[in-house]
Amino acid sequence: DTGVSQNPRHKITKRGQNVTFRCDPISEHNRLYWYRQTLGQGPEFLTYFQNEAQLEKSRLLSDRFSAERPKGSFSTLEIQRTEQGDSAMYLCASSPGTTQETQYFGPGTRLLVL
Amino acid sequence: GEDVEQSLFLSVREGDSSVINCTYTDSSSTYLYWYKQEPGAGLQLLTYIFSNMDMKQDQRLTVLLNKKDKHLSLRIADTQTGDSAIYFCAEIRGSTLGRLYFGRGTQLTVWP
Repeated sequence: DTGVSQNPRHKITKRGQNVTFRCDPISEHNRLYWYRQTLGQGPEFLTYFQNEAQLEKSRLLSDRFSAERPKGSFSTLEIQRTEQGDSAMYLCASSPGTTQETQYFGPGTRLLVL
Repeated sequence: GEDVEQSLFLSVREGDSSVINCTYTDSSSTYLYWYKQEPGAGLQLLTYIFSNMDMKQDQRLTVLLNKKDKHLSLRIADTQTGDSAIYFCAEIRGSTLGRLYFGRGTQLTVWP
C-alpha cells in the first residue's frame, strides 16, 4: 500500500450534472477526511469519518453534497446539480486515529464545472 | 484572528536557507504541521511539531515554535530548485478533534 489514492484525478462536467469521487485511504487508517481547495487558497475542511461514522460536517457542505464510507474503508463524495462554484480540487486524507492525528493526503480530484 | 496567516511569496537563491513563517490562531493547538504542494499535486507531509516542543530538526528542515506569539517557522537549509513549491502551515485546534486549519500557503521560488 503506497498511500491514499483518489479517482478520478480529473473530472470535467456540465453545470447541473452529478459527479462522484472515490477515495481509498491507507490500510488500517480509521479516520478519513475530505477537503476542498480552490485556486490560491489552502484546503478547507468538508467532513470526516471515524470508521463508517460521519462525525463532523462543515457548513461548506451544502445539501447538494453527500459523503459516505459504508464499510469503513473507501469513501465517496457526491455532488448533485453541480454549479460553477464547485470547481475546485477535492482532497482526501486519512489518519491512523491515534492521538497524534497526522493526516496523509491523496493526489486529489480536480473538478471543472462548465 | 480566525485565520492561519502566511506570507504569500518567498524567493531565494539555490544553496541559501529559506525561512517560511506562519502565525496560527489557537493557543491550545496541539499539533502544528508543514505540508508541501507541487503544481497539480496533493499535499506531502514534511514535518510536524507537538505543542510542548520549541524546536524540531529533520535533516534539512528545522521547525521553530513560539507559543507565546503563536508563531511557527520552517527553515530549509541549502535550498534546492526541487524545493520550489507551495508550503502550507496547518494547525489542529484544541476543540476540533483532528480537522486541519490551513494557511493560504507560501509560494517558494528557488533561483539557480
